[in-house]
Amino acid sequence: EVHLLESGGGLVEPGGSLRLSCAGSGFSFSRYALSWVRQAPGKGLEWVSTINDTGGSTYYADSVKGRFTISRDNSKSTLDLQVNSLRAEDTAIYYCARYNGPYTGFDYWGQGTLVTVSS
Amino acid sequence: SYVLTQPPSVSVAPGQTARVTCGGINIGRESVHWYQHKPGQAPVLVICDDSDRPSGIPERFSGSNSGNTATLSISRVEAGDEADYYCQVWDSISDQGVFGGGTKLTVL
Repeated sequence: EVHLLESGGGLVEPGGSLRLSCAGSGFSFSRYALSWVRQAPGKGLEWVSTINDTGGSTYYADSVKGRFTISRDNSKSTLDLQVNSLRAEDTAIYYCARYNGPYTGFDYWGQGTLVTVSS
Repeated sequence: SYVLTQPPSVSVAPGQTARVTCGGINIGRESVHWYQHKPGQAPVLVICDDSDRPSGIPERFSGSNSGNTATLSISRVEAGDEADYYCQVWDSISDQGVFGGGTKLTVL
């Protein structure tokens, strides 16, 4: 059974940083692209970033480009998102999702980790 | 970047068919996916590639895509179908994922 478990969320002041992590199990981790998707309070889903299976290609939403960095360690089956220069509008639940290509989409999701940016 | 437009809400009586639309320029040329999201839970992929149902998704869920509109249909709606539904595509021009704004399905 595919399982994705996020961690690392918390309360951080504006301008601060966090490192979110996602541990994958139950599938061949190194064969799939992975993504982060977030949902701000009362808002819809927003795609944040995707990394390909090898880690050699990364993609970002305009709203986070230059502030967030996605990475993965296939030897440990982990996905990370380094979030810097945080703003109030980055407050959201951050979901890790397996991206199974443009013809399948995000086929498995974690339960999410909450990031709150506030002073 | 590519924009997907969904109605904020759709209401339907139990046993009827709910239809949720997703508008986008020439969306018929894209591969559209649909997600069900209930409060406090992880989103679930219910339709991929316009009309394919992943394993475990009831046959009551179906999808279509043509022209400028993709549609998710849920037949014989049940109370348990009440959720937010999102359409999604991968914008190959900008190399970014795109979600619609979401539609809240209410079962009357």
